[in-house]
Amino acid sequence: AQSVTQLDSHVSVSEGTPVLLRCNYSSSYSPSLFWYVQHPNKGLQLLLKYTSAATLVKGINGFEAEFKKSETSFHLTKPSAHMSDAAEYFCVVTLTGGFKTIFGAGTRLFVKA
Amino acid sequence: GAVVSQHPSWVICKSGTSVKIECRSLDFQATTMFWYRQFPKKSLMLMATSNEGSKATYEQGVEKDKFLINHASLTLSTLTVTSAHPEDSSFYICSARKEGSKTQYFGPGTRLLVL
Repeated sequence: AQSVTQLDSHVSVSEGTPVLLRCNYSSSYSPSLFWYVQHPNKGLQLLLKYTSAATLVKGINGFEAEFKKSETSFHLTKPSAHMSDAAEYFCVVTLTGGFKTIFGAGTRLFVKA
Repeated sequence: GAVVSQHPSWVICKSGTSVKIECRSLDFQATTMFWYRQFPKKSLMLMATSNEGSKATYEQGVEKDKFLINHASLTLSTLTVTSAHPEDSSFYICSARKEGSKTQYFGPGTRLLVL
């Protein structure tokens, strides 16, 4: 069965420190992987995506993620957190073929001044 | 590019009335659009997948007669909540996808409150 697990329901960091949001997936097929960010009462904004090209993907706002097939992971990182990064982050997997999309439960990122 | 809009951004209605929400892809043609519902502090729940010119495919447990979806053009899909009840109050989000692409672009969401 296909699934997406975001390992932390919430993460708290201080401004200026690194951010790590973890995502593991389970899929029998070659997936496409996405990270989206959602600010309160807003829609989802695409941060970055992996679609079988380079395994290290750079996105907007300084975020990047690395696809590790051996670990079935797609963790999101940022070297230095900013207050404006405080939001909900979703890891999303889309399967090849039927394009079925699976959402993670989300990780709330808190950034302390 | 790849901007998706929703209208209205929020709506308050009386119980028993119907509400229509529009989802538009502004700068691309969307062969497929998706409608999601999001409860507070929860992830998105897919309600239905809409392909232009054909009937929507509803997820298990979603009443198709309650949530009417129309995808009449490559840039517009509508969700109509019929005979709304307070339990239909929620945040509804649409997304759109280009043909052959796996990337979904999301609208800003519509907050529905049924009194």
